[in-house]
Amino acid sequence: EVQLVESGGELVQPGGSLRLSCAASGFTFNKYWMTWVRQAPGKGPEWVANIDQDGSEKYYVDSVKGRFTISRDNAKNSLYLQMNNLRVEDTAVYYCARDPGDGSGYYIWYFDLWGRGTLVTVSS
Amino acid sequence: DIQMTQSPSTLSASVGDRVTITCRAGQSISRWLAWYQQKPGQAPKLLIHTASTLQTGVPSRFSGSGSGTEFTLTISSLQPDDFATYYCQQYNTYSVFGPGTKVEIK
Repeated sequence: EVQLVESGGELVQPGGSLRLSCAASGFTFNKYWMTWVRQAPGKGPEWVANIDQDGSEKYYVDSVKGRFTISRDNAKNSLYLQMNNLRVEDTAVYYCARDPGDGSGYYIWYFDLWGRGTLVTVSS
Repeated sequence: DIQMTQSPSTLSASVGDRVTITCRAGQSISRWLAWYQQKPGQAPKLLIHTASTLQTGVPSRFSGSGSGTEFTLTISSLQPDDFATYYCQQYNTYSVFGPGTKVEIK
C-alpha cells in the first residue's frame, strides 16, 4: 500500500526541540521531492519545507528558517523534520507529503500523497 | 508572498445542488493552482491540479477552471461524501494555500 506515516509529535515547552519522522512505503521514495506541511487549529495548510531526491536542495518558509531542518534517509525510506527553538505559533498538525514532480525530476509543488499527520503542541 | 483568498468561507447546500467555490490570487499565477478536499481529522486530498486537471480517481462531478488570478471549483451535483472543507493552493511561487471554504448541509 502506498502510504506515509508520521510520528514524533508531542507537547513541548517554548524554546524546546522535537524531531518528526515520516516513514514512506509502497513507492520508490528516492525518486520524489518530499515536503512538510503544517496546519494550525482551524486554519488552512501551510507549506513548511521541502527537499529534493538526494537531500542536496532544500527550501523553507521564512518563519522557520534557521530553526527547522528537513532531511531524509533514502536507505530507510524516511523523511525528517528537526525543529529547534519552538514557538507557541508552531503548534499544528504536521503532515508529510509527496511532490509528484514535473516529469523531469524537479519539484512541481503540489502534493499528491499525504500522511495522516502528527500533532505538535508548543505550550508552557 | 502571493496571497490567496476564497469565497464564500462557508456554503450551505443540499444533495444534488451545483456548487461553485471561487479562489483569487494576489497576482497572476498562470494556471499553477490546485484544489484539495479535507474532512475532519483527515489529511487534505488532492482533487485538481494545473487549474483544471482532475487527479486520478477523483469523480468527474468535480471540475476546475480559471487562469491568472481567478479560479473556480465546481461540484456539478453535490453528494453526501462531498460535505467537507475545500482549499485552493497556488504553486507558481513556492506554495500558499487559501483559507478554505466549508461546504455544509443545508
